[in-house]
Amino acid sequence: GAVVSQHPSRVICKSGTSVKIECRSLDFQATTMFWYRQFPKQSLMLMATSNEGSKATYEQGVEKDKFLINHASLTLSTLTVTSAHPEDSSFYICSARDLGTSGTPHQETQYFGPGTRLLVL
Amino acid sequence: GENVEQHPSTLSVQEGDSAVIKCTYSDSASNYFPWYKQELGKRPQLIIDIRSNVGEKKDQRIAVTLNKTAKHFSLHITETQPEDSAVYFCAASINQGGKLIFGQGTELSVKP
Repeated sequence: GAVVSQHPSRVICKSGTSVKIECRSLDFQATTMFWYRQFPKQSLMLMATSNEGSKATYEQGVEKDKFLINHASLTLSTLTVTSAHPEDSSFYICSARDLGTSGTPHQETQYFGPGTRLLVL
Repeated sequence: GENVEQHPSTLSVQEGDSAVIKCTYSDSASNYFPWYKQELGKRPQLIIDIRSNVGEKKDQRIAVTLNKTAKHFSLHITETQPEDSAVYFCAASINQGGKLIFGQGTELSVKP
């Protein structure tokens, strides 16, 4: 159980185009999903917290108009990188928090997706 | 906000030796501390976690200790094996929404 998928796994695009990345929780409901970015040989940096049915909460320094997040259902969150540029090339990873059967917010285990490697030419 | 510092950045040990990775956190409100193992190009895998009401937790060759007063927590791997080679990340969860703040990572190399 607790499987999170991401699509696509790898994408190459031209500078100026937009790219959408999907994050799905396959066997559990996730009212909260998180989006991280990881540059080579660096740590995971939290970009935003995605809440089902409400606006995402962005971390300081992350442009909300550039990284559009939509969490329309309990199993799907999407990240759209708008007008991508070479400096946006990175490994984007989502995670989903499993609230468990009781729905208590204390169930804090996060399950990560396999990541999406974005290369902007 | 929360800040997590992790040391060392690289660690090389001989097979069979122990490895210790240390982290400190800044926000005393943090109450959940997971450790992740990440192999190249893959997703982080949770290997062990500890909550602030516990001082130590062990799972076979892996153990984590937590000192709330000093805001330190450490990962201990005993009897290391070559397949333990990977990048390890500590993290801390602050109270607001459970978001994880990661340490900088430790690249562990276990030499046969």
